[in-house]
Amino acid sequence: IQMPQSPSSLSASVGDTVTITCRTSQSVNTYLNWYQQKPGKAPKLLIYGESYLQSGVPSRFSGSGSGTEFTLTISGLQPEDFATYFCQETYSLPEGTFGQGTTVEIK
Amino acid sequence: QLHLQESGPGLVKPSETLSLTCSVSGGSFSGTSYYCAWIRQSPGMGLEWIASIHYSGRSYYNSSLKSRVTLSVDTSKNRVSLQLTSVTAADTAVYYCARVSRSGSSRGAFDLWGPGTLVTVSS
Repeated sequence: IQMPQSPSSLSASVGDTVTITCRTSQSVNTYLNWYQQKPGKAPKLLIYGESYLQSGVPSRFSGSGSGTEFTLTISGLQPEDFATYFCQETYSLPEGTFGQGTTVEIK
Repeated sequence: QLHLQESGPGLVKPSETLSLTCSVSGGSFSGTSYYCAWIRQSPGMGLEWIASIHYSGRSYYNSSLKSRVTLSVDTSKNRVSLQLTSVTAADTAVYYCARVSRSGSSRGAFDLWGPGTLVTVSS
């Protein structure tokens, strides 16, 4: 399953609403997860099952989708949100495929 | 609180075997449905899942690496080992171990990660 993520990078300001899109070459149902990664750190699970917020993750993060197109939305960008975000489909088991990432930079 | 920690040599010579260990502390995978997975990340390949193993011994492998990968579990020491044979420069990456569920809405989601360890393949 191919998983282009768009954009590859974006610039935004604190307080902005940011949208990152992940498209899959075939339907993955709702088996789509989102991760945040900061430089030198391991990825952190934000959203699983397309829209379920992982425990401890702020509610400004949300996920939605429609089988082949998925969106991660950050409502009210905070300074700690500047990072790289990855999607991962887990429809194609065992553990699916990761997208190439979207870097959110400070404008 | 469960904590994962990778360890192993940071430098491996081409054609040799890369060996890493994931040590689990603050709890165990035993008696749970969770698997321990290995994932690597390199600038060229991005994030790539390598393999996953349950403490019962059931395991799954990325088909592109399966012929070179071996996973094992030492339940008495609460750790999982990864061996990758015949390494080349393309295997240079940060290697992570992580916890993964294989059922329900969170199927395949890596919800707990170790800090990662950089392995460089070079002579």
